[in-house]
This record gives sequence, C-alpha cells and structure tokens, in this order.
Amino acid sequence: DAGVTQSPTHLIKTRGQQVTLRCSPISGHKSVSWYQQVLGQGPQFIFQYYEKEERGRGNFPDRFSARQFPNYSSELNVNALLLGDSALYLCASSWGLQGRNTEAFFGQGTRLTVV
Amino acid sequence: QKEVEQDPGPLSVPEGAIVSLNCTYSNSAFQYFMWYRQYSRKGPELLMYTYSSGNKEDGRFTAQVDKSSKYISLFIRDSQPSDSATYLCAMSEGTGRRALTFGSGTRLQVQP
Repeated sequence: DAGVTQSPTHLIKTRGQQVTLRCSPISGHKSVSWYQQVLGQGPQFIFQYYEKEERGRGNFPDRFSARQFPNYSSELNVNALLLGDSALYLCASSWGLQGRNTEAFFGQGTRLTVV
Repeated sequence: QKEVEQDPGPLSVPEGAIVSLNCTYSNSAFQYFMWYRQYSRKGPELLMYTYSSGNKEDGRFTAQVDKSSKYISLFIRDSQPSDSATYLCAMSEGTGRRALTFGSGTRLQVQP
C-alpha cells in the first residue's frame, strides 16, 4: 500500500515568490494535516483538513493557505516567501478526527529553501 | 514555557544498551501520545501510539504514559546502530484541538 506521498521533494524559491506543495494521503484516509519543521525542532502544526473543510489552524500568518480536494489530496500554498519559511514541510494523513482515528502517518516531506 | 519538553540530547549509547527517552508536558487535556522516529532529512515514522495512562509494548519498544505526572517515556531494548535517529514525542487532545503537539526531539546515536 502506498503511504503518504508529497511533491516535490525539494524546492528552491526566491524571497517574495509563491509556492504550492502537494500531498496525497493514504488510501481511505480522509484527514490531512500540514506541519512545518525547522532544522533542529519538532514539527509545528499549520493546518488540518477533513472532508474538504478546514478543521484546525496553527499560529501561522495569512500568507499560508491550504485546501483539500474531493479525492482527499491537499495543497499547501505559501505566498510572499520569506527566508524564515525555509523548512521541511510535512503532510500527515489519518482516518478521521476522533479517538484512535487520529493516528497520523507522515510523508517524506518537501524541503523548501528560500534564497 | 513549551507545552511539551524533550531533552534534545544527543544521547550516545553502546550497541545492546537499554535506551530511555522522555517527555514532560503541561496540558492536562492531552489523551493520545505518540513516539515517532525520524532519520536525517526524512519524514517522521510512527513507532508507538497510546491512549491515556499505561504501558504498551511492541517488539523492542515499550511506551509508558503517566498522566498524573504528565510524563511519557519510550524504552528501547537491545539497541542497534540502525536505531540511531531523532526520536520525537507527540501528543493530542483527541477531540477539540486535534493537532499534534511535538517535542523538539532527542537525537540518539547507538555506537557499534
């Protein structure tokens, strides 16, 4: 079975540009979450989507946005990139939102470098 | 003060040693507790998932949760060089705020 897949794996962007990251969850999983991991730190929560609706948002500026499609895949968009946005962006999928269904599985991440 | 505190290490042990990794937390609403293993420049891999207080064993790994002390542990028996990685604890409320809150990770090096 395919796990969580993310694309692209690596990306280099210039300050001020916009970027779109993509995620396909594990088959049957309906919830997708996005996390940002800066080097040397644990992942920080950005967004959670379930059944195409936003169900949670972390403490990130409005430059960050996301959406979930009918096939449960998801995109994370970041506008007006800053050097500080350089990080590993992780997508996690889970069955649902309650109890054991919250068990989250992560993709390999997209490493974004802003220069 | 961070919601979840984790000793960053690095922790260096000889092959075959028993490893103890720990996290403390301040949010009493956390009910679900996870341990992830992350190799360099890779995504986190789920090792253990536990609900509420108690122990859970899976092969060489044992997870313990003590909600009264707000303390969780991961024990690795017969550690192997392939266990060398960063270990992240994570927690969630399960309902309400469902996002995972992570510790900063402990880097483990198992010496052959």
